[in-house]
Amino acid sequence: NAGVTQTPKFQVLKTGQSMTLQCAQDMNHEYMSWYRQDPGMGLRLIHYSVGAGITDQGEVPNGYNVSRSTTEDFPLRLLSAAPSQTSVYFCASRSTGLKQYFGPGTRLTVT
Amino acid sequence: DQQVKQNSPSLSVQEGRISILNCDYTNSMFDYFLWYKKYPAEGPTFLISISSIKDKNEDGRFTVFLNKSAKHLSLHIVPSQPGDSAVYFCAASAGANSKLTFGKGITLSVRP
Repeated sequence: NAGVTQTPKFQVLKTGQSMTLQCAQDMNHEYMSWYRQDPGMGLRLIHYSVGAGITDQGEVPNGYNVSRSTTEDFPLRLLSAAPSQTSVYFCASRSTGLKQYFGPGTRLTVT
Repeated sequence: DQQVKQNSPSLSVQEGRISILNCDYTNSMFDYFLWYKKYPAEGPTFLISISSIKDKNEDGRFTVFLNKSAKHLSLHIVPSQPGDSAVYFCAASAGANSKLTFGKGITLSVRP
């Protein structure tokens, strides 16, 4: 049982490039979320999904897209990277109730 | 507008003493509260939670107290250990299956 996995661990992008951050969970959780963590800002919700085929925006969705074609996977796409998207990104999942399981994070730098 | 506030960015305590981490919230619809712990280069891990029908929940060395009238909760760690040194996030939700709103976090340092 791997829990929540994220790839890559580190990524450097140039402004304007696109990329996809991968997230997968093997706990059959319906609810998955993406957060970003910035110094002094805590964890801010980007997008979330309550089940396959259903996604919704969180607090800071601009510049990011998500899709949920399977229960296991919830990729986060950066369409045109900007320096303001330099951050640490965490994926999380949970079943019913609020106890979320977080992945190890992806550290993204946009130059 | 920050709905979950952790106003102290850091706390330093001596090993063996009590650590008290505070959290305030403004949204009166919040009825579930959680604490997460985060070590550097790792994802946050769940620590303890409390629902608004309780005013205290205990798990080993960790106790969370909820004061609904003051919209305040606190996490007590007794006794504090060096391995407790981490960032602690308070989070809240309006409903058991709603999205979580996190505070900015408090960095706890426990001195040997």
